[in-house]
Amino acid sequence: GNSVTQMEGPVTLSEEAFLTINCTYTATGYPSLFWYVQYPGEGLQLLLKATKADDKGSNKGFEATYRKETTSFHLEKGSVQVSDSAVYFCALSGNSGYALNFGKGTSLLVTP
Amino acid sequence: SAVISQKPSRDICQRGTSLTIQCQVDSQVTMMFWYRQQPGQSLTLIATANQGSEATYESGFVIDKFPISRPNLTFSTLTVSNMSPEDSSIYLCSVVSGGGRDQPQHFGDGTRLSIL
Repeated sequence: GNSVTQMEGPVTLSEEAFLTINCTYTATGYPSLFWYVQYPGEGLQLLLKATKADDKGSNKGFEATYRKETTSFHLEKGSVQVSDSAVYFCALSGNSGYALNFGKGTSLLVTP
Repeated sequence: SAVISQKPSRDICQRGTSLTIQCQVDSQVTMMFWYRQQPGQSLTLIATANQGSEATYESGFVIDKFPISRPNLTFSTLTVSNMSPEDSSIYLCSVVSGGGRDQPQHFGDGTRLSIL
C-alpha cells in the first residue's frame, strides 16, 4: 500500500539557516504530494503541493520538487525564521481516491 | 479555500460517555473526512463521510465506535462512543472542494479530546 517516510525530528536550527526535511514515498501509479504545517495548538494548513513528476510546489519561501526517479518530495527553505517553528507533515493521495497517507511529522524549532 | 468550523474545539469527558463533534463548512464540498491524531503522532484516517449514505471506514475503525453523519454537502458529525482514555486525541475534519485527485484537503482546527 501507499506510505510516506519522513526524517525523524526534532530539528533545531538557528534563524536564517537553511532547512531540508526529507520525505520519501511508496505508491503505485502517480500520486499527488503535499506538505502540511501544524503550528502549536492549531490544525493543519496546506503549505504546498505537486501533482506530477518534476512539478515544484512553493509557498512562503518553502519549496519541494516531485522527484519520481527517487520517489522523494523534500521540503526546503533557504532562510528559516522563528515563526516557522511548527510540525511539518508530508502526505500523498494515491490513485484510489482522495484520502491522504501522512508521514509521522517532523518538528522544527527555530531559535533566534 | 473553504472555511471549516469544528465544534467543540476541546472537551474533557468521563469514560463511558459519548461526544459528538460537528464540522461545518461555509460552502459545498465534494468530500469530507475525519482523522484522528493521537498525542505526538501523525494523522490517521478514520472514515470518509458520504453524503446521504453510510460512511466508509478504514481498517481498525468501526461504525459502532465512531458513527458519522453527513446530511448535506456542508455539514458532518463524528461521534466518539463509550469513550476510554485511549480515545484521547485530536479529531480533525477535512474537506475537498471540486473534482480531481490532485485537489488538496483543507482541515479544520480540530477537537482536542481528553478522557478521564
